[in-house]
Amino acid sequence: AQSVSQHNHHVILSEAASLELGCNYSYGGTVNLFWYVQYPGQHLQLLLKYFSGDPLVKGIKGFEAEFIKSKFSFNLRKPSVQWSDTAEYFCAVNSGRGSTLGRLYFGRGTQLTVWP
Amino acid sequence: DVKVTQSSRYLVKRTGEKVFLECVQDMDHENMFWYRQDPGLGLRLIYFSYDVKMKEKGDIPEGYSVSREKKERFSLILESASTNQTSMYLCASSLTRAPNTGELFFGEGSRLTVL
Repeated sequence: AQSVSQHNHHVILSEAASLELGCNYSYGGTVNLFWYVQYPGQHLQLLLKYFSGDPLVKGIKGFEAEFIKSKFSFNLRKPSVQWSDTAEYFCAVNSGRGSTLGRLYFGRGTQLTVWP
Repeated sequence: DVKVTQSSRYLVKRTGEKVFLECVQDMDHENMFWYRQDPGLGLRLIYFSYDVKMKEKGDIPEGYSVSREKKERFSLILESASTNQTSMYLCASSLTRAPNTGELFFGEGSRLTVL
């Protein structure tokens, strides 16, 4: 089975600070990669995704992530966080071949708290 | 927009009760999933289904069963609820067809408390 590691359980930043959340996965084949976000009291929603092509992908709200195949990583970044970015962030991986029928493997999540 | 609707946002049940959690999606997705979300543990897959009447165990199926009689509906059943099943339950759906393989659409969750 695949595994997904998120290095930070809780990150605390001040507004305007830069953000990088780490994500590593174990699967060696073709992968689809995702970051999901859950704002307080809301349902999980897609932040960005990588299927193929340019390894630097841009998502909503100024977030981006870089796929580095050699490092099995898909780190999330934002140059300047806002108080409204306070949320829990989940990295997820799919094998990308339609096997396991579209199942995603999730990391344990990183709680981001941004102080105004 | 894809809509995944979970029938109950909050439930309180007693130990030993049978619990049904219902989920409906409106986008003709092949795959449907039930996860539970617990602080510090992330999302753990209970069961998933890739077609009507088909089901596959996820990582933590013990104490749960599922039913998928229609493509749009996926039910999670706790045959005899226990306190360690107190959790947030998330339903999700996805397409199998590229290019969206793996992208999940989530419902708002059902918070279950078992007393």
